[in-house]
Amino acid sequence: QITLKESGPTLVKPTQTLTLTCTFSGFSLSTSGVGVGWIRQPPGKALEWLALIYWDDDKRYSPSLKSRLTITKDTSKNQVVLTMTNMDPVDTATYYCAHRRSSRVGVDWFDPWGQGTLVTVSS
Amino acid sequence: NFMLTQPRSVSESPGKTVTISCTGSSRTFASNYVQWYQQRPGSAPTTVIYEDNQRPSGVPDRFSGSIDSSSNSASLTISGLKTEDEADYYCQSYDSSNLNWVFGGGTKLTVL
Repeated sequence: QITLKESGPTLVKPTQTLTLTCTFSGFSLSTSGVGVGWIRQPPGKALEWLALIYWDDDKRYSPSLKSRLTITKDTSKNQVVLTMTNMDPVDTATYYCAHRRSSRVGVDWFDPWGQGTLVTVSS
Repeated sequence: NFMLTQPRSVSESPGKTVTISCTGSSRTFASNYVQWYQQRPGSAPTTVIYEDNQRPSGVPDRFSGSIDSSSNSASLTISGLKTEDEADYYCQSYDSSNLNWVFGGGTKLTVL
């Protein structure tokens, strides 16, 4: 059974850097094809994909946020870390990490997801 | 950039059938398959359809997905509606040209 859980601060100040950790079980990030992604959801709004890291350390970032994001992995700890710099109140959202699935080329989705963690950006 | 557009909300009565659309911009779904997620209030999304029309184990066959290439759209159809189906539904596709994942704006389904 695959599970993921996000952890990190619930409150950050504007201009600060946010660091979130995704701790997972039931799979290994050293296995070919495996990936872990981050997705966020502002209160009452839609899902937005942020970043993804693959088993081979290849990384993908949302074009609109690429300059602010860094995703890394610690395979030995079964963890993926997302950092987002220069936080702003508009970044207030629930942040989810999720396991990447792919049934074939061109079919790529997230399942399952962690429970999410609400991050509020306020002074 | 590739975008997915969904209606903001739909509503239907219990026992009826509802269809939620997801329209792609600027490119077809021919090589970019569509997934659908259900998100109940206060919960994380879960997959109800992947690869256009495949149901994960445990998802009832009341849920089905389809693609209409002529209109560049995908659809999620839920038949025999139950009150427990009331949720937000998101379509998602992988943009293989830009190597990123795209979500639709979400559709709120009300079953009343």
